[in-house]
Amino acid sequence: KAGVTQTPRYLIKTRGQQVTLSCSPISGHRSVSWYQQTPGQGLQFLFEYFSETQRNKGNFPGRFSGRQFSNSRSEMNVSTLELGDSALYLCASSLEVDPANTGELFFGEGSRLTVL
Amino acid sequence: QKEVEQNSGPLSVPEGAIASLNCTYSDRGSQSFFWYRQYSGKSPELIMSIYSNGDKEDGRFTAQLNKASQYVSLLIRDSQPSDSATYLCAVKGPYNQGGKLIFGQGTELSVKP
Repeated sequence: KAGVTQTPRYLIKTRGQQVTLSCSPISGHRSVSWYQQTPGQGLQFLFEYFSETQRNKGNFPGRFSGRQFSNSRSEMNVSTLELGDSALYLCASSLEVDPANTGELFFGEGSRLTVL
Repeated sequence: QKEVEQNSGPLSVPEGAIASLNCTYSDRGSQSFFWYRQYSGKSPELIMSIYSNGDKEDGRFTAQLNKASQYVSLLIRDSQPSDSATYLCAVKGPYNQGGKLIFGQGTELSVKP
């Protein structure tokens, strides 16, 4: 069974540009969450999608957005990139359909973004 | 106050010893609690989940939950060098308040041969 697939794995952008990251969840998983991981802040919750609907959102500015498609694949977009957006962006999927139980996550390998 | 707090470590234990990792959380309404392990350069992987007060054992791992004290712990018995990793505590908030899964900063564990 294939795991969570994230693309691209590495990317370098400059300030002011925008970036789109893609995530394909494990087959059958309908919940997709996104996290930002940095050495100083750890894992910070960005958003969670279920059946194409954003179910939860973290405390990030509006430059960070996401969406989920009917096949459960998800994308996140960061516009007007800042140096501080340099991070590992992790996508995770969950089998649970009950939002109270979507804590058992399977993570992808992440997309490492460097903003110059 | 952070929502989920862990000692950053590093915690160093000799091989064969018991490693004890602790986590406190601020939202008394939280219902679901998880421990993830993250090896250097890798993604987090789930190792334990616990939903009710008390102990839950899985092999060498025991998770302990005390909701009254808002405290979760993970014990690793017979620690092995392969257990050296960062351990992340994650807490799921009440669904009626969003139900976000919030991670602590992680505790780095080093098991010395």
